[in-house]
Amino acid sequence: AQKITQTQPGMFVQEKEAVTLDCTYDTSDPSYGLFWYKQPSSGEMIFLIYQGSYDQQNATEGRYSLNFQKARKSANLVISASQLGDSAMYFCAMRGVHDNYGQNFVFGPGTRLSVLP
Amino acid sequence: EAGVVQSPRYKIIEKKQPVAFWCNPISGHNTLYWYRQNLGQGPELLIRYENEEAVDDSQLPKDRFSAERLKGVDSTLKIQPAELGDSAVYLCASSPYFGRNYEQYFGPGTRLTVT
Repeated sequence: AQKITQTQPGMFVQEKEAVTLDCTYDTSDPSYGLFWYKQPSSGEMIFLIYQGSYDQQNATEGRYSLNFQKARKSANLVISASQLGDSAMYFCAMRGVHDNYGQNFVFGPGTRLSVLP
Repeated sequence: EAGVVQSPRYKIIEKKQPVAFWCNPISGHNTLYWYRQNLGQGPELLIRYENEEAVDDSQLPKDRFSAERLKGVDSTLKIQPAELGDSAVYLCASSPYFGRNYEQYFGPGTRLTVT
């Protein structure tokens, strides 16, 4: 079975500093995708970044980068130059190949990030 | 392009009452998901549709929950009767089957409170 672990229930970071949110995963699927979503207090889930299991390079999207270490089964999110608006819950998720359609997702428990002025 | 639409946004009901949630996915998205998100936790999949077919409903409590996706577009999730433990946010998401990364697009959710 697939599983996502996020060991940091809460994190604090000073504005303009970088922060790393941890994510480890467990799967026996040879092909999978890893996602990070942001959920502000308003409740909507916002897609941030994606990393495919066969991608050779770490994904980057603006201030977001994914530190993908396949052998360690980790996919940490790095946010550079934190902003007050980054305060939110962050979820790591994995898509694996379960069936002929192959689109099931599993989410981690989340990390609450608070950016301090 | 319009996003995933859900209604109602909020619902308060007494236990043992029925309740229904509606979701309209992004146009052209074949895959539709219903998730339940308890306070302080990540979303948990309830059911996944490919067009009108429910391809994974293993996590759906079938004694009280039901879902349908007629014509492979809109979907309705129903709870009957509701229990106190059903209080949660119910999220609908959709994705294109042949999308680049099968990225999911989420609706704003329906916050259910059972009293």
